[in-house]
Amino acid sequence: DQQVKQNSPSLSVQEGRISILNCDYTNSMFDYFLWYKKYPAEGPTFLISISSIKDKNEDGRFTVFLNKSAKHLSLHIVPSQPGDSAVYFCAASAQAGNMLTFGGGTRLMVKP
Amino acid sequence: ETGVTQTPRHLVMGMTNKKSLKCEQHLGHNAMYWYKQSAKKPLELMFVYNFKEQTENNSVPSRFSPECPNSSHLFLHLHTLQPEDSALYLCASSQGQGFAEAFFGQGTRLTVV
Repeated sequence: DQQVKQNSPSLSVQEGRISILNCDYTNSMFDYFLWYKKYPAEGPTFLISISSIKDKNEDGRFTVFLNKSAKHLSLHIVPSQPGDSAVYFCAASAQAGNMLTFGGGTRLMVKP
Repeated sequence: ETGVTQTPRHLVMGMTNKKSLKCEQHLGHNAMYWYKQSAKKPLELMFVYNFKEQTENNSVPSRFSPECPNSSHLFLHLHTLQPEDSALYLCASSQGQGFAEAFFGQGTRLTVV
């Protein structure tokens, strides 16, 4: 049973518009969440994280929102750029610095 | 370039072969990991090493045998694999056993025939 789920396997967005990637989790012990980005033929790279004591974290064009009551987090990219086209993985851990559980990934395609 | 290098990038092996995957990190990290990514599945943690000691074995079959001679190098020895073991094998490292903001290698694409 997957504890971290990304229900949309793919998402297509026009350049300049907002991309919203969603992630749901079931384990209420998770308190640290991360997003990784993966290009083809490369390993995942860390993008942004959020602790459960916050509900929003922003870094440039990337913002992660956390809704603890709904056990849901989302990654917003605005404005989206063609170079953002990649697979995005959501991950969660029970303690900051503990082992991560990954979602299945969402492939984002940003069209020029 | 993330500072974590995996070789080879691609590997095709028969079910009776023995091969090894290599990972090297130049980041001064003390924890290293092997992950498996199969098609349409989440990343699966296989092994964790912290200061050269194995601290996690996520119920991985014995046909996968890890080796960590020092904090900078990690190997995955493969023996009598099955076709369903075909996947992308990713190495990662982090400062401390924590996984947050780990750095990944580019992966080895393994095909078992």
